[in-house]
Amino acid sequence: AQSVTQPDIHITVSEGASLELRCNYSYGATPYLFWYVQSPGQGLQLLLKYFSGDTLVQGIKGFEAEFKRSQSSFNLRKPSVHWSDAAEYFCAVGPFSGGYNKLIFGAGTRLAVHP
Amino acid sequence: ETGVTQTPRHLVMGMTNKKSLKCEQHLGHNAMYWYKQSAKKPLELMFVYNFKEQTENNSVPSRFSPECPNSSHLFLHLHTLQPEDSALYLCASSQDGGDSNQPQHFGDGTRLSIL
Repeated sequence: AQSVTQPDIHITVSEGASLELRCNYSYGATPYLFWYVQSPGQGLQLLLKYFSGDTLVQGIKGFEAEFKRSQSSFNLRKPSVHWSDAAEYFCAVGPFSGGYNKLIFGAGTRLAVHP
Repeated sequence: ETGVTQTPRHLVMGMTNKKSLKCEQHLGHNAMYWYKQSAKKPLELMFVYNFKEQTENNSVPSRFSPECPNSSHLFLHLHTLQPEDSALYLCASSQDGGDSNQPQHFGDGTRLSIL
């Protein structure tokens, strides 16, 4: 069955430190992969997506993610975290049978940033 | 301006009440989605509409009734809800629900509390 695992429920980093959020997926073929961010009281905002081609994708707000097929991973990185990056981050995979745009989301990783 | 607007932002209702959630998208998309976000659980897809036709009902109880009068509007009618239905309900849209290459854009959600 298709699934997404975000092993870290909470992560705390200091402002200016580097960040890596982990995402592992289970899927029968090369999936489409997404990272979304959710700030308190708001909906989900797309950070970046991977469909094909270059396995290192750049997103908004200085984030990047690398697709590693051999590890079934799509980890999100940022070289220097800002206090405004404190939020919850969701990894998602799609598509599924029927080709419809159905995403399966991970449980999320909540990021706290210390000054 | 997220492009996807949800009203109300907060709703408190008793188990015997009937209420409706509204979603409107200003992005010219053809697919719309309802998700349920409960604490400490992954985002759950509830319904998908593509070109006003329902293409997905993810085993959602009948006390939730969706309506999609046109590609820009989506409603979720609620009646005789249970306390476990308290959650954040998110609406999303994408260009075409039949094309998984299209990222979904989310509204800020309706926080629903069942007394």
